Amino acid sequence: EPEVTQTPSHQVTQMGQEVILRCVPISNHLYFYWYRQILGQKVEFLVSFYNNEISEKSEIFDDQFSVERPDGSNFTLKIRSTKLEDSAMYFCASSADNEQFFGPGTRLTVL
Amino acid sequence: EDQVTQSPEALRLQEGESSSLNCSYTVSGLRGLFWYRQDPGKGPEFLFTLYSAGEEKEKERLKATLTKKESFLHITAPKPEDSATYLCAVQPFSGNTPLVFGKGTRLSVIA
Repeated sequence: EPEVTQTPSHQVTQMGQEVILRCVPISNHLYFYWYRQILGQKVEFLVSFYNNEISEKSEIFDDQFSVERPDGSNFTLKIRSTKLEDSAMYFCASSADNEQFFGPGTRLTVL
Repeated sequence: EDQVTQSPEALRLQEGESSSLNCSYTVSGLRGLFWYRQDPGKGPEFLFTLYSAGEEKEKERLKATLTKKESFLHITAPKPEDSATYLCAVQPFSGNTPLVFGKGTRLSVIA
């Protein structure tokens, strides 16, 4: 069964460093999303992407964040200068229609 | 503002003891209501989508129902492997919009 994959599973970085989180969505899906979940809190929407552009973004998704689909399979989230409060699980999701399927997540730890 | 409230926060059941989880929501217009299962440190796993009041869906020991204000996830004769956090999310009525999640109900099923 097709699934969303994410790498790395765990990323540790120093405050102020740049990180890139990678996702391979399900191959025939056209809509892509990033969500995050701070430990013990709700899953929160960051950004959605369709037709090679951002379709919607939340207040969390400020100028420090960017997304890219560099080729036909990968979808990346870049955080330019990480802060302590960026520590969270980051989930990529993709959908063909309504149902959004989530990847296993990347645990980002900012020290 | 779209909101999802889940109750109880945590539920402990004996194996075979049936129960229900509640998800109440306020949304500008509902396109779909989603149930996911989340195991610790993992991504949300899609279970059901419900689109209109009165709709029901079943999968093994789980049955999801929907009214105009809330959804229930009924668990019949649960087993220890059903232990997980169950997340409810709504999708507002406009395109492939992001999901708004509740905090989840953490279910523990004791043998």
